[in-house]
Amino acid sequence: AQRVTQPEKLLSVFKGAPVELKCNYSYSGSPELFWYVQYSRQRLQLLLRHISRESIKGFTADLNKGETSFHLKKPFAQEEDSAMYYCALKGCGALIFGKGTTLSVSS
Amino acid sequence: EAQVTQNPRYLITVTGKKLTVTCSQNMNHEYMSWYRQDPGLGLRQIYYSMNVEVTDKGDVPEGYKVSRKEKRNFPLILESPSPNQTSLYFCASSLGPGGRDNEQFFGPGTRLTVL
Repeated sequence: AQRVTQPEKLLSVFKGAPVELKCNYSYSGSPELFWYVQYSRQRLQLLLRHISRESIKGFTADLNKGETSFHLKKPFAQEEDSAMYYCALKGCGALIFGKGTTLSVSS
Repeated sequence: EAQVTQNPRYLITVTGKKLTVTCSQNMNHEYMSWYRQDPGLGLRQIYYSMNVEVTDKGDVPEGYKVSRKEKRNFPLILESPSPNQTSLYFCASSLGPGGRDNEQFFGPGTRLTVL
């Protein structure tokens, strides 16, 4: 079964603190994973994809096949990072999203 | 400007009154899909289309219909809306089904309330 699990509905941190948004997946093949972000009153947009091994807005995510995880990390959170974050898995003919985690960064 | 547009953005209707939410993209994308977003349930795919005249069910297709007569348009049809279809709906498009370099571009969303 193809599945994406984001165990936290809400993650609250203070500005400057490290952030880790958890994502675990279940997929029998070679996974392609993404993080999408939705800022308040904006449309959903791609943040980063594992294939590119990129860092966007200070965020990184490493695919760990052994732990079937693709956690999103940032060493120092900023208030503008507050948003809803979705982990997504490219399955057969569809992009499967997790339930999302709301990140709240306060000063 | 490359974009995905949806209309209407907001709609309040009554149970049983047929409605259509339009979706259009100007990026010549082959792949289009519809999602609904509900609190605590995240994004769930309703239907998707790999190309013109090719559509398939997503995770929650019950109560919805779609058509793909032209590449740029992918309307979502609710023949007989019910209150449990009250939700925020997103249309998305990409060159392919979201893999590798095929980023999904999302529309602004349509907030539907069924009374």
